[in-house]
Amino acid sequence: DIQLTQSPSFLSASVGDSVTITCRASQDITTYVNWYQQKPGRAPNLLIYAAYVLHSGVPSRFRGDGSVTEFTLTISSLRPEDSATYYCQQLNSYPHNFGPGTQLEIK
Amino acid sequence: EVQLVESGGGLVQPGGSLRLSCAASGFTFSRYWMTWVRQAPGKGLEWVSNVNQDGSETYDVDSVRGRFTVSRDNAKNSVFLQLNSLRVEDTAVYFCARRVREVGLDFYDYWGQGTLVTVSS
Repeated sequence: DIQLTQSPSFLSASVGDSVTITCRASQDITTYVNWYQQKPGRAPNLLIYAAYVLHSGVPSRFRGDGSVTEFTLTISSLRPEDSATYYCQQLNSYPHNFGPGTQLEIK
Repeated sequence: EVQLVESGGGLVQPGGSLRLSCAASGFTFSRYWMTWVRQAPGKGLEWVSNVNQDGSETYDVDSVRGRFTVSRDNAKNSVFLQLNSLRVEDTAVYFCARRVREVGLDFYDYWGQGTLVTVSS
């Protein structure tokens, strides 16, 4: 099975800042990585697919990058509503594992 | 508007069974793979199972294999997850999601609100 790690596990930043979350895979997953945002008590929302493609309706402040085994999600010009947990997921092979998540706090 | 609505969750004793349903609307259901993902209380997301467009292919995570069965009824625009031999560690919110699968692309774009399964004596 392909394992995903995320760093950091917790992030605290201020409104207007930029932050980057890293997702690392245990094997080459080309660009079959997606990023989701989840707020407490809600379903996940797709942000980025295929490593860097912005899902419809997602603000351009969100940017994905990377390939092979290392991927990043960068959020620029942070807003209070960006407070959430962010997960990467690989769909290169089964099981379609998620990373452990990164909790982002907006100060 | 795409909508996915799960139902069927509840409290069940260890060893018991439940059948979860996910009713889809707003898109041509029979053209899409469907997925179940779960989330234990205070924990991260765990992929559980996938089913292809006509139900002939299914995949699931090792921890549920032989106990959970995914199926679908395209005439009713619904996907199901039969949960048998439930364990305390199966306690979670279960989400269904639509899978978009094209050349070079593979993602889950629409999700339901989830249904809570609690396994406890």
